[in-house]
Amino acid sequence: ETGVTQTPRHLVMGMTNKKSLKCEQHLGHNAMYWYKQSAKKPLELMFVYSLEERVENNSVPSRFSPECPNSSHLFLHLHTLQPEDSALYLCASSQEPDQPQHFGDGTRLSIL
Amino acid sequence: AQSVSQHNHHVILSEAASLELGCNYSYGGTVNLFWYVQYPGQHLQLLLKYFSGDPLVKGIKGFEAEFIKSKFSFNLRKPSVQWSDTAEYFCAVAGRNFVFGPGTRLSVLP
Repeated sequence: ETGVTQTPRHLVMGMTNKKSLKCEQHLGHNAMYWYKQSAKKPLELMFVYSLEERVENNSVPSRFSPECPNSSHLFLHLHTLQPEDSALYLCASSQEPDQPQHFGDGTRLSIL
Repeated sequence: AQSVSQHNHHVILSEAASLELGCNYSYGGTVNLFWYVQYPGQHLQLLLKYFSGDPLVKGIKGFEAEFIKSKFSFNLRKPSVQWSDTAEYFCAVAGRNFVFGPGTRLSVLP
């Protein structure tokens, strides 16, 4: 148990579907992150939220849309994804953006 | 731009061998440094961290790392590895941004 919970654990969707990934942290942290982990590629930081404001967006395609309604919850809304978007999507949180991050177990996403 | 490199993509060792995984970063300012480990089928977890003070830091499971500021390095070491250390190891640097290295896969043969 890491204190960071991601749902669903697995998601299979077609290219025209719309779905959302959910992340919840129970650690009282101020910063939350979305990462993409693909086989044979470095961990890619997608979005950073600090105190519910987006502070970083690393040139992520607009088909990924983050939402941070409060400091405990983070969503990643998905629409019209491509096969190359199949990956493990990890959520993390930390007290502040330069502090150690606590990771969830990830959502394994497969695009058909 | 801030970046992190790890010297080896895949390291294979026998049990009881000594381990050193290299990590170098490019950033001229103050940094916080981390090593994370991801065991097969598990989530990423913090192994050790350096913020300030003694540049030799000790983490969990007998791991340690040394920060050498002049070399922009933060190498991970363990004197005697075990089969259970088989995992992927990520170096990370928090400077202007929080950046992970590409990871090093460690395979320990029983």
